[in-house]
Amino acid sequence: QLQLQESGPGLVKPSETLSLTCSVSGGSIRRSNYYWGWIRQPPGKGLEWIGSIYHSGSTYYHPSLKSRVTISVDTSKNQFSLKLSSATAADTAVYYCARGGVVVARPEFDPWGQGTLVTVSS
Amino acid sequence: QSVLTQPPSASGTPGQRVTISCSGSSSNIGSNYVYWFQQLPGTAPKLLIHTNNQRPSGVPDRFSGSKSGTSASLAISGLRSEDEADYYCAAWDDSLSGLVVFGGGTKLTVL
Repeated sequence: QLQLQESGPGLVKPSETLSLTCSVSGGSIRRSNYYWGWIRQPPGKGLEWIGSIYHSGSTYYHPSLKSRVTISVDTSKNQFSLKLSSATAADTAVYYCARGGVVVARPEFDPWGQGTLVTVSS
Repeated sequence: QSVLTQPPSASGTPGQRVTISCSGSSSNIGSNYVYWFQQLPGTAPKLLIHTNNQRPSGVPDRFSGSKSGTSASLAISGLRSEDEADYYCAAWDDSLSGLVVFGGGTKLTVL
């Protein structure tokens, strides 16, 4: 079955770029008709959508993060990635990747990766 | 402050029926589908309800979703101890250039 796995540094210094990769197994990003998304959850708080990408590279970002976020896809590696620049302590969160819907306006995220905690601290 | 409004907590005893509300506006729930996610302690969220009231394969029929106007609800009947979790609603919002919005989450306690 389809599985997603996040990977990347667990500690990022303030002002640096947070970078994560989501590896997809059990299915092909290139041959799918789904969007792929990043969602984060600060400790003890709720979920926040960061953005979504289609295999063609078409992207949608949360307006409040748009100036700092880049989501890209590498279909040859069956991965998609997140870069969040100028990180601050407010970006400390568990970051999840997930498969979205067949249109970006259908956020039926399923399945999700297990999540990875990223702490922004010096 | 979340765009979609949920009660922070809900509770019930085993066997009871509980409902969790999700209030939005014309730009999100009023014009788009609603989704519900269940997050068990220490785990990733799981899709519980899609397109307002549809259950993915494997989700018990004790869980049901509904939508009316700019509000939605998740109902859990025959409450079980394993239903103790955080529940989140979500929808697409047509404002600005469009974005996914989540509710703040409701912590369900089974007494």
